[in-house]
Amino acid sequence: AQSVTQLGSHVSVSEGALVLLRCNYSSSVPPYLFWYVQYPNQGLQLLLKYTTGATLVKGINGFEAEFKKSETSFHLTKPSAHMSDAAEYFCAVSEEGSNYQLIWGAGTKLIIKP
Amino acid sequence: SQTIHQWPATLVQPVGSPLSLECTVEGTSNPNLYWYRQAAGRGLQLLFYSVGIGQISSEVPQNLSASRPQDRQFILSSKKLLLSDSGFYLCAWSVLRTGGSGANVLTFGAGSRLTVL
Repeated sequence: AQSVTQLGSHVSVSEGALVLLRCNYSSSVPPYLFWYVQYPNQGLQLLLKYTTGATLVKGINGFEAEFKKSETSFHLTKPSAHMSDAAEYFCAVSEEGSNYQLIWGAGTKLIIKP
Repeated sequence: SQTIHQWPATLVQPVGSPLSLECTVEGTSNPNLYWYRQAAGRGLQLLFYSVGIGQISSEVPQNLSASRPQDRQFILSSKKLLLSDSGFYLCAWSVLRTGGSGANVLTFGAGSRLTVL
């Protein structure tokens, strides 16, 4: 069965530092890949998605992610962290075989140190 | 534009009491609708999804039920709440049709926080 692994339930970076949140999936076929962000006591908001085409995907708030098929990864990055980036980030995968239902990672809480 | 509304935003209920959480979507027709739960310290758990009126799929056995009385209305209910029902409940919608192709992009509501005492 498809699974999604987010390495690190909590990631702490200093303001201005590089943000790297890791996501690996187990699918053997090219999936659709998503990153969502959840601010405290709010719903989830789509940051970016990969469907087909260019493997480097740009999203909102300066985030981007790169689909690497050989590594089955879809890591999320941002060159310079802002205090406003503090939130929980979820990686998700869907594929045709699962009727496009989303399989979610457990989430990574991003902490920004001043 | 499409919007999704959930209410109530917060709810404190005693054990054994009933529950009704409501979700409505505006600006689209025949959406797929979803109920998720986030328990403290845990990730997203899909509870129910619906591809049309009266069509409900349950993903996990639990003390909850869902109904879709209208195209853009999705209700989460319980007859008797348990302590373990506490959590943050999220409604979401998408426009991917069953058997269709493409990314199933979900749009979420603001959530309903349920505390069972």
